[in-house]
Amino acid sequence: DIQMTQSPSTLSTSVGDRITITCRASQNIYSWLAWYQQKPGKAPKLLIYEASSLQSGVPSRFSGSQSGTEFTLTISSLQPDDFATYYCQQYSSLRTFGQGTKVQIK
Amino acid sequence: EVQLVQSGAEVKKPGESLTISCKASGYNFSNYWITWVRQMPGKGLEWMGRIDPSDSYRNYGPSFQGHVTISADKSVRTAYLQWSSLKASDTAIYYCTRHESAGGHDYWGQGTLVTVSS
Repeated sequence: DIQMTQSPSTLSTSVGDRITITCRASQNIYSWLAWYQQKPGKAPKLLIYEASSLQSGVPSRFSGSQSGTEFTLTISSLQPDDFATYYCQQYSSLRTFGQGTKVQIK
Repeated sequence: EVQLVQSGAEVKKPGESLTISCKASGYNFSNYWITWVRQMPGKGLEWMGRIDPSDSYRNYGPSFQGHVTISADKSVRTAYLQWSSLKASDTAIYYCTRHESAGGHDYWGQGTLVTVSS
């Protein structure tokens, strides 16, 4: 089974900050990685697929990158609507989510 | 408009059986896998398993194999998640979601809350 290790688990930050969330795969998943945003009481929303492709309608302040088995979600300038929990997911072999990162107000 | 509409909240007792549903509309049902995702109270997302509605081929996550059954009926464009004997630890929100063979989950149902309590 492929394990996804996501960090940090919590991120305390402010509007306008640049933030990064990291996900490491336990083995090579090529670029088969997606990022999701979830707000309380809502279904998750797809932000990024294939490691760095922006889903239609998602603001350009969101971006994804990859270095080997390490993947990064970056929000260039945090907006009030971005306080939420973020998950990575590999889809190279079946599918596995990371543990999640809660982005909260400092 | 693509929609995945799930059945309503359920309250069950341990040992009871349950089937929840996910009805798709607005796209070719056979062209996308349907996945079920569990979210236990206050916890993260867990991939349970998926089904290809075109031929009902399915996969399960290791933690869920043998504990749930995923099925689909193309004639009514609906996928199902079934338990034969519920446990208190099955209390969670269950989401259905679709994806292409290699792609992210782009549409999600609204979630079904299942509460199992004696």
